[in-house]
Amino acid sequence: QKEVEQDPGPLSVPEGAIVSLNCTYSNSAFQYFMWYRQYSRKGPELLMYTYSSGNKEDGRFTAQVDKSSKYISLFIRDSQPSDSATYLCAMSDKVYGQNFVFGPGTRLSVLP
Amino acid sequence: GAVVSQHPSWVICKSGTSVKIECRSLDFQATTMFWYRQFPKQSLMLMATSNEGSKATYEQGVEKDKFLINHASLTLSTLTVTSAHPEDSSFYICSATRQGATDTQYFGPGTRLTVL
Repeated sequence: QKEVEQDPGPLSVPEGAIVSLNCTYSNSAFQYFMWYRQYSRKGPELLMYTYSSGNKEDGRFTAQVDKSSKYISLFIRDSQPSDSATYLCAMSDKVYGQNFVFGPGTRLSVLP
Repeated sequence: GAVVSQHPSWVICKSGTSVKIECRSLDFQATTMFWYRQFPKQSLMLMATSNEGSKATYEQGVEKDKFLINHASLTLSTLTVTSAHPEDSSFYICSATRQGATDTQYFGPGTRLTVL
């Protein structure tokens, strides 16, 4: 079993839809959870960062962490064509950032 | 804040030559820098982790003599691909963690290497 699982997609949705992106993980020691957005031929851009369980909202983006189920989600409301990208989840178990694990990424296409 | 730059953004070279890629943290001091490679439509593959003034730690299967990493300062790390071959063609991305806030990585824009 991979340490982090993520549906690679591609996921296609119409403009304005609510998008749900998810990752599951196996290492219960993970405490820091991140979502990155990567446009084609660009480096990943940090979107959301959460610590431990709970929800965090930033504009149209909401990140959820359920440590009991080892499951994290990113919701995108009112999706736009400009949201079309690959979304990578990432997590780490140490404050000093020496043990990051990335999911394989989900390709999202928002159709106008 | 937390801007990471890479240079060059793309490079084409002949087989057998060496290529150096620079990674700089522009507005913060980077405790640790990471080097990744990414093939088309695939996820990031960690190559090595480097701390300023220390030897890099390479992931299993990554040849340290082929991918030379130098982390001479808290704002600069370099990756040199020595004796490049076409199979080294890839997208190379660096990232850095900030001194005092090392739980998040900030990525550079990536360097596309094409070896002819």
